Amino acid sequence: NAGVTQTPKFQVLKTGQSMTLQCAQDMNHNSMYWYRQDPGMGLRLIYYSASEGTTDKGEVPNGYNVSRLNKREFSLRLESAAPSQTSVYFCASSVRLGSQETQYFGPGTRLLVL
Amino acid sequence: GIQVEQSPPDLILQEGANSTLRCNFSDSVNNLQWFHQNPWGQLINLFYIPSGTKQNGRLSATTVATERYSLLYISSSQTTDSGVYFCAAPSTSGTYKYIFGTGTRLKVLA
Repeated sequence: NAGVTQTPKFQVLKTGQSMTLQCAQDMNHNSMYWYRQDPGMGLRLIYYSASEGTTDKGEVPNGYNVSRLNKREFSLRLESAAPSQTSVYFCASSVRLGSQETQYFGPGTRLLVL
Repeated sequence: GIQVEQSPPDLILQEGANSTLRCNFSDSVNNLQWFHQNPWGQLINLFYIPSGTKQNGRLSATTVATERYSLLYISSSQTTDSGVYFCAAPSTSGTYKYIFGTGTRLKVLA
């Protein structure tokens, strides 16, 4: 049981390049999330997927797209990277029982855009 | 949407000391979570605590929903408690859009 896995762990891009961050979970969770964390700040929600087949915008969605490929996988795409997207990206998954919810996080992807 | 504020921003303790971290939120919540981010960046869920009190070993959390705050207590702190502690709540009750506080950075000295 690996929990939440993310690839790659670290990536350097040039401005204008594109890339996809991959996330997978093996806990059979319905909900998945993408967050970014900038130095000295908390996490900010980029996109989330409440269940397979649905996605919705979070707090900072501009410049990103997502795909909920199946129940296990939720990818984040940067179509044209910008230096402002330099950050650490975390994927999370959760199961919700009524209002009770516990989020489990992946190890993060550190992205540097030059 | 909801605003989440944490205090203090930084805390340095000697090993064995106790501490209290605070999370204030601007609106009523039906879901409040506490997380620990260790010095290597890994985020671990500590508590789901929309109201009442929960304990897990040396850590306990209390949320007073009517007064819109939550407290995280760390007793007999250890160096492994170092890291950043975050609280988070949905921006609107029942949604999946979580808002995180900016965290309390804790350093426990041996």
